[in-house]
Amino acid sequence: NAGVTQTPKFRVLKTGQSMTLLCAQDMNHEYMYWYRQDPGMGLRLIHYSVGEGTTAKGEVPDGYNVSRLKKQNFLLGLESAAPSQTSVYFCASSYSRGHSSYNSPLHFGNGTRLTVT
Amino acid sequence: GESVGLHLPTLSVQEGDNSIINCAYSNSASDYFIWYKQESGKGPQFIIDIRSNMDKRQGQRVTVLLNKTVKHLSLQIAATQPGDSAVYFCAENIWVGDMRFGAGTRLTVKP
Repeated sequence: NAGVTQTPKFRVLKTGQSMTLLCAQDMNHEYMYWYRQDPGMGLRLIHYSVGEGTTAKGEVPDGYNVSRLKKQNFLLGLESAAPSQTSVYFCASSYSRGHSSYNSPLHFGNGTRLTVT
Repeated sequence: GESVGLHLPTLSVQEGDNSIINCAYSNSASDYFIWYKQESGKGPQFIIDIRSNMDKRQGQRVTVLLNKTVKHLSLQIAATQPGDSAVYFCAENIWVGDMRFGAGTRLTVKP
């Protein structure tokens, strides 16, 4: 059982380049999330999804797009990377149907460290 | 030892001592709280959670206390071990998509 898998683990981009971060979960979770983690600022939510085909903006969505075409995958895109997007990106998933409450812990991947020069 | 979350982001304790990590949450409507542990180079890992209708919950060597009156959460780790060294985050959840994380407290365990 792999849990949440993120690819790639590391990436360096030049300003203006684009890329897609991939996230896959094998826990049949309904909800998926993308966070960024910066020193001293904790985890901030970029976008999230409550089900296949749905997406919504989080706290810091500007400069990012997401897609959830399949339940198990959640993609984060950077169309034109900027140095301010240098960060560690974490994908997470939660909540399986049949549980009594939507309140359930997030399961995180091990992150993608992105540097934009 | 005891820390006050964001105001004292590091906590150093002796192996075998008990650790207390504190967190002040922001929203009185939050109804679900989680503690995570993050080791270097890894994603946050779930430790324990508590719902707002409880004020204490115990796990293996860990206890979470919730004081809704002052919007305060604490994590107690009994008999702290070197493997407990990590950054600990509290998180409050109001609804899906609205989970807020604290900046974290770094716990260092001295042998």
